[in-house]
Amino acid sequence: GENVEQHPSTLSVQEGDSAVIKCTYSDSASNYFPWYKQELGKGPQLIIDIRSNVGEKKDQRIAVTLNKTAKHFSLHITETQPEDSAVYFCAASNRTPGGSYIPTFGRGTSLIVHP
Amino acid sequence: GAGVSQSPSNKVTEKGKDVELRCDPISGHTALYWYRQRLGQGLEFLIYFQGNSAPDKSGLPSDRFSAERTGESVSTLTIQRTQQEDSAVYLCASSLSPTSGGGDEQFFGPGTRLTVL
Repeated sequence: GENVEQHPSTLSVQEGDSAVIKCTYSDSASNYFPWYKQELGKGPQLIIDIRSNVGEKKDQRIAVTLNKTAKHFSLHITETQPEDSAVYFCAASNRTPGGSYIPTFGRGTSLIVHP
Repeated sequence: GAGVSQSPSNKVTEKGKDVELRCDPISGHTALYWYRQRLGQGLEFLIYFQGNSAPDKSGLPSDRFSAERTGESVSTLTIQRTQQEDSAVYLCASSLSPTSGGGDEQFFGPGTRLTVL
Protein backbone atom coordinates (compact mmCIF):
# COMPACT_ATOMS: atom_id res chain seq x y z
CA GLY A 1 0.00 0.00 0.00
CA GLU A 2 0.88 3.66 -0.06
CA ASN A 3 3.24 5.12 2.54
CA VAL A 4 3.52 8.88 3.07
CA GLU A 5 6.33 10.47 5.07
CA GLN A 6 6.04 14.09 6.19
CA HIS A 7 8.70 16.44 7.58
CA PRO A 8 9.21 18.31 9.79
CA SER A 9 6.85 17.28 12.57
CA THR A 10 7.09 20.77 14.08
CA LEU A 11 7.97 24.04 12.37
CA SER A 12 8.34 27.34 14.18
CA VAL A 13 8.72 30.58 12.18
CA GLN A 14 8.47 34.31 12.69
CA GLU A 15 5.56 36.18 11.19
CA GLY A 16 6.41 37.17 7.64
CA ASP A 17 8.84 34.30 7.07
CA SER A 18 8.21 31.45 4.64
CA ALA A 19 7.38 27.90 5.72
CA VAL A 20 8.04 24.73 3.74
CA ILE A 21 6.65 21.28 4.54
CA LYS A 22 7.87 18.26 2.59
CA CYS A 23 6.29 14.88 1.90
CA THR A 24 7.37 11.75 0.09
CA TYR A 25 5.20 8.90 -1.13
CA SER A 26 5.90 5.34 -2.21
CA ASP A 27 3.20 4.33 -4.71
CA SER A 28 3.98 5.58 -8.21
CA ALA A 29 0.29 5.08 -9.10
CA SER A 30 -0.75 7.90 -6.75
CA ASN A 31 -1.97 10.83 -8.80
CA TYR A 32 -3.79 13.17 -6.43
CA PHE A 33 -2.08 15.06 -3.61
CA PRO A 34 -4.22 17.20 -1.30
CA TRP A 35 -3.02 19.32 1.61
CA TYR A 36 -5.24 19.85 4.64
CA LYS A 37 -5.07 22.37 7.47
CA GLN A 38 -6.43 21.33 10.87
CA GLU A 39 -7.05 23.95 13.53
CA LEU A 40 -7.46 22.99 17.15
CA GLY A 41 -10.73 21.19 17.82
CA LYS A 42 -11.77 21.18 14.17
CA GLY A 43 -11.72 18.74 11.31
CA PRO A 44 -9.13 19.07 8.53
CA GLN A 45 -9.92 21.50 5.73
CA LEU A 46 -8.55 21.26 2.20
CA ILE A 47 -6.32 24.23 1.39
CA ILE A 48 -4.75 23.21 -1.91
CA ASP A 49 -4.31 20.11 -4.04
CA ILE A 50 -2.30 19.04 -7.05
CA ARG A 51 -2.61 16.30 -9.63
CA SER A 52 0.20 14.30 -11.16
CA ASN A 53 -0.04 16.02 -14.54
CA VAL A 54 0.95 19.37 -12.95
CA GLY A 55 4.28 20.36 -11.41
CA GLU A 56 3.24 23.41 -9.44
CA LYS A 57 0.09 25.15 -8.29
CA LYS A 58 -0.36 28.47 -6.50
CA ASP A 59 -3.17 30.07 -4.59
CA GLN A 60 -2.29 33.46 -3.11
CA ARG A 61 0.27 32.82 -0.34
CA ILE A 62 0.32 29.05 -0.66
CA ALA A 63 1.86 26.88 -3.35
CA VAL A 64 2.44 23.20 -3.84
CA THR A 65 5.14 21.57 -5.98
CA LEU A 66 5.25 17.96 -7.16
CA ASN A 67 8.20 15.92 -8.41
CA LYS A 68 6.78 12.66 -9.74
CA THR A 69 10.16 11.19 -10.58
CA ALA A 70 11.42 11.63 -7.05
CA LYS A 71 7.97 10.96 -5.56
CA HIS A 72 7.95 14.02 -3.36
CA PHE A 73 5.75 17.08 -3.00
CA SER A 74 5.98 20.20 -0.88
CA LEU A 75 3.78 22.93 0.56
CA HIS A 76 5.11 26.48 0.57
CA ILE A 77 3.52 29.25 2.62
CA THR A 78 4.89 32.75 2.09
CA GLU A 79 4.46 35.80 4.33
CA THR A 80 3.22 33.65 7.19
CA GLN A 81 0.68 35.10 9.61
CA PRO A 82 -0.27 33.98 13.14
CA GLU A 83 -3.55 32.60 11.78
CA ASP A 84 -1.55 30.15 9.66
CA SER A 85 -0.68 28.35 12.92
CA ALA A 86 -2.24 24.89 12.69
CA VAL A 87 -1.41 21.27 11.89
CA TYR A 88 -0.90 20.61 8.18
CA PHE A 89 -1.35 17.17 6.62
CA CYS A 90 -0.22 16.01 3.22
CA ALA A 91 -1.84 13.04 1.52
CA ALA A 92 -1.43 10.87 -1.56
CA SER A 93 -4.07 8.81 -3.31
CA ASN A 94 -5.33 7.36 -6.54
CA ARG A 95 -8.85 6.80 -7.70
CA THR A 96 -10.52 3.61 -6.45
CA PRO A 97 -12.60 1.41 -8.80
CA GLY A 98 -15.63 3.14 -7.31
CA GLY A 99 -14.22 6.49 -8.41
CA SER A 100 -13.40 8.10 -5.08
CA TYR A 101 -10.00 8.96 -3.73
CA ILE A 102 -9.05 7.36 -0.42
CA PRO A 103 -5.96 9.26 0.66
CA THR A 104 -3.05 8.04 2.77
CA PHE A 105 -2.10 10.84 5.13
CA GLY A 106 1.24 11.96 6.49
CA ARG A 107 1.64 12.30 10.25
CA GLY A 108 1.21 16.06 10.18
CA THR A 109 3.31 19.18 10.74
CA SER A 110 2.53 21.53 13.58
CA LEU A 111 3.24 25.04 12.24
CA ILE A 112 3.68 27.79 14.80
CA VAL A 113 3.89 31.37 13.56
CA HIS A 114 5.21 33.79 16.18
CA PRO A 115 3.96 37.39 15.99
CA GLY B 1 -24.87 25.88 4.12
CA ALA B 2 -24.49 23.27 6.81
CA GLY B 3 -21.29 21.29 6.89
CA VAL B 4 -20.62 17.78 8.10
CA SER B 5 -21.79 17.31 11.66
CA GLN B 6 -20.82 14.63 14.15
CA SER B 7 -22.20 13.62 17.50
CA PRO B 8 -21.37 13.39 20.25
CA SER B 9 -18.43 15.79 20.23
CA ASN B 10 -16.93 13.97 23.23
CA LYS B 11 -17.55 10.50 24.57
CA VAL B 12 -16.06 8.96 27.68
CA THR B 13 -16.76 5.28 28.21
CA GLU B 14 -15.54 2.39 30.26
CA LYS B 15 -13.53 -0.44 28.79
CA GLY B 16 -15.80 -3.18 27.49
CA LYS B 17 -18.78 -0.93 26.72
CA ASP B 18 -20.19 -0.40 23.22
CA VAL B 19 -20.29 3.07 21.65
CA GLU B 20 -22.06 4.55 18.65
CA LEU B 21 -20.75 7.57 16.81
CA ARG B 22 -22.92 9.49 14.37
CA CYS B 23 -22.14 11.42 11.22
CA ASP B 24 -24.46 13.67 9.21
CA PRO B 25 -22.86 14.41 5.83
CA ILE B 26 -23.46 17.43 3.64
CA SER B 27 -26.78 17.09 1.84
CA GLY B 28 -26.29 15.60 -1.61
CA HIS B 29 -22.90 14.07 -0.82
CA THR B 30 -23.18 10.39 -1.67
CA ALA B 31 -19.65 9.44 -0.61
CA LEU B 32 -18.88 9.19 3.11
CA TYR B 33 -15.65 8.28 4.89
CA TRP B 34 -14.65 7.43 8.46
CA TYR B 35 -11.13 8.05 9.78
CA ARG B 36 -9.42 7.58 13.11
CA GLN B 37 -6.88 10.10 14.39
CA ARG B 38 -4.76 9.08 17.35
CA LEU B 39 -3.01 11.78 19.36
CA GLY B 40 -0.22 13.34 17.31
CA GLN B 41 -0.85 11.03 14.38
CA GLY B 42 -2.17 11.33 10.87
CA LEU B 43 -5.57 10.20 9.73
CA GLU B 44 -6.11 6.46 9.50
CA PHE B 45 -8.75 5.38 6.95
CA LEU B 46 -11.46 3.09 8.34
CA ILE B 47 -14.30 2.70 5.83
CA TYR B 48 -15.79 4.34 2.74
CA PHE B 49 -19.46 4.42 1.70
CA GLN B 50 -20.82 5.13 -1.75
CA GLY B 51 -24.51 5.58 -1.16
CA ASN B 52 -25.56 2.88 1.27
CA SER B 53 -22.94 0.35 0.26
CA ALA B 54 -19.39 0.09 1.55
CA PRO B 55 -17.06 -0.82 -1.31
CA ASP B 56 -14.00 -0.39 0.88
CA LYS B 57 -13.94 -1.36 4.55
CA SER B 58 -10.32 -2.42 4.52
CA GLY B 59 -9.33 0.00 7.26
CA LEU B 60 -11.57 -1.38 10.01
CA PRO B 61 -9.04 -2.55 12.61
CA SER B 62 -11.02 -5.50 13.98
CA ASP B 63 -14.43 -7.14 13.97
CA ARG B 64 -15.32 -4.98 16.96
CA PHE B 65 -15.70 -2.10 14.50
CA SER B 66 -18.68 -1.80 12.17
CA ALA B 67 -20.45 0.97 10.32
CA GLU B 68 -23.69 1.42 8.49
CA ARG B 69 -25.33 4.09 6.44
CA THR B 70 -29.02 4.48 5.71
CA GLY B 71 -30.82 6.58 3.16
CA GLU B 72 -27.59 7.94 1.66
CA SER B 73 -27.33 10.27 4.62
CA VAL B 74 -26.59 9.50 8.25
CA SER B 75 -23.88 7.00 9.12
CA THR B 76 -23.08 5.38 12.44
CA LEU B 77 -19.78 3.87 13.47
CA THR B 78 -20.13 1.27 16.21
CA ILE B 79 -17.30 0.04 18.38
CA GLN B 80 -18.14 -2.99 20.50
CA ARG B 81 -16.35 -4.00 23.69
CA THR B 82 -14.19 -0.87 23.61
CA GLN B 83 -10.52 -1.10 24.52
CA GLN B 84 -8.19 1.66 25.73
CA GLU B 85 -6.37 1.64 22.40
CA ASP B 86 -9.63 2.72 20.75
CA SER B 87 -9.21 6.15 22.36
CA ALA B 88 -8.86 8.64 19.51
CA VAL B 89 -10.70 11.30 17.54
CA TYR B 90 -13.03 9.74 14.99
CA LEU B 91 -13.51 11.93 11.93
CA CYS B 92 -16.17 11.68 9.27
CA ALA B 93 -15.91 13.24 5.82
CA SER B 94 -18.21 13.43 2.82
CA SER B 95 -17.80 14.26 -0.84
CA LEU B 96 -19.81 14.54 -4.01
CA SER B 97 -20.36 11.46 -6.10
CA PRO B 98 -17.51 10.58 -8.47
CA THR B 99 -20.11 10.04 -11.18
CA SER B 100 -21.11 13.71 -10.93
CA GLY B 101 -17.55 14.91 -11.27
CA GLY B 102 -16.84 15.13 -7.56
CA GLY B 103 -15.17 12.77 -5.15
CA ASP B 104 -11.91 14.66 -4.83
CA GLU B 105 -12.34 17.20 -2.07
CA GLN B 106 -13.48 15.66 1.19
CA PHE B 107 -15.30 17.85 3.69
CA PHE B 108 -14.59 16.87 7.27
CA GLY B 109 -16.71 17.12 10.37
CA PRO B 110 -15.27 18.31 13.71
CA GLY B 111 -14.82 14.77 14.98
CA THR B 112 -15.84 12.80 18.05
CA ARG B 113 -13.21 12.51 20.76
CA LEU B 114 -13.52 9.04 22.30
CA THR B 115 -11.85 8.27 25.60
CA VAL B 116 -11.93 4.71 26.89
CA LEU B 117 -11.08 4.46 30.57
